[in-house]
Amino acid sequence: DAKTTQPTSMDCAEGRAANLPCNHSTISGNEYVYWYRQIHSQGPQYIIHGLKNNETNEMASLIITEDRKSSTLILPHATLRDTAVYYCIVTTGNNRKLIWGLGTSLAVNP
Amino acid sequence: NAGVMQNPRHLVRRRGQEARLRCSPMKGHSHVYWYRQLPEEGLKFMVYLQKENIIDESGMPKERFSAEFPKEGPSILRIQQVVRGDSAAYFCASSPPGGTAGELFFGEGSRLTVL
Repeated sequence: DAKTTQPTSMDCAEGRAANLPCNHSTISGNEYVYWYRQIHSQGPQYIIHGLKNNETNEMASLIITEDRKSSTLILPHATLRDTAVYYCIVTTGNNRKLIWGLGTSLAVNP
Repeated sequence: NAGVMQNPRHLVRRRGQEARLRCSPMKGHSHVYWYRQLPEEGLKFMVYLQKENIIDESGMPKERFSAEFPKEGPSILRIQQVVRGDSAAYFCASSPPGGTAGELFFGEGSRLTVL
């Protein structure tokens, strides 16, 4: 699986958009980009995933660059409850063994 | 629709004792995964099971650890003769048959402390 690189930490003001970047320059053509988050002491929560097109759901939007070497998770109106560690994971469509890095610790401030 | 249920949420064992962690997947889910998370680290894959079958145990330590997912009942992660280094949060996840491979539903975890 391709390796991902994320900033260690980020801050965001409540009500503003949070844009979390992820680099995956070695991604291969059959690998998807998945995003999860983990609120302190809880189990990880699936957010969204994509292959090459941008995706949006009720939680977030995922923007994948045309060359697929990087992506951005967008939380359009961050709330205090969005404070969590966000993980970007790249894996093939049939690989059920996810490789987790250290993620980005997002702090949403009032 | 209940989520993935793990118990116990917290478990304290002395060195040399056995720890048994249980996981009931979401209704309709036939795939179960176990992950371990040490403090300040990301999750590490341990094992992937389907009913009565171990599909991938490449992340399981070679000794003392075992996992099962019987035809009836929850999945069990068993750690024999625990050592201090086994202290961690153990997360179970499940997914439905035919579901997207990377979309997993996690439980709240079982936190093992070895004294």
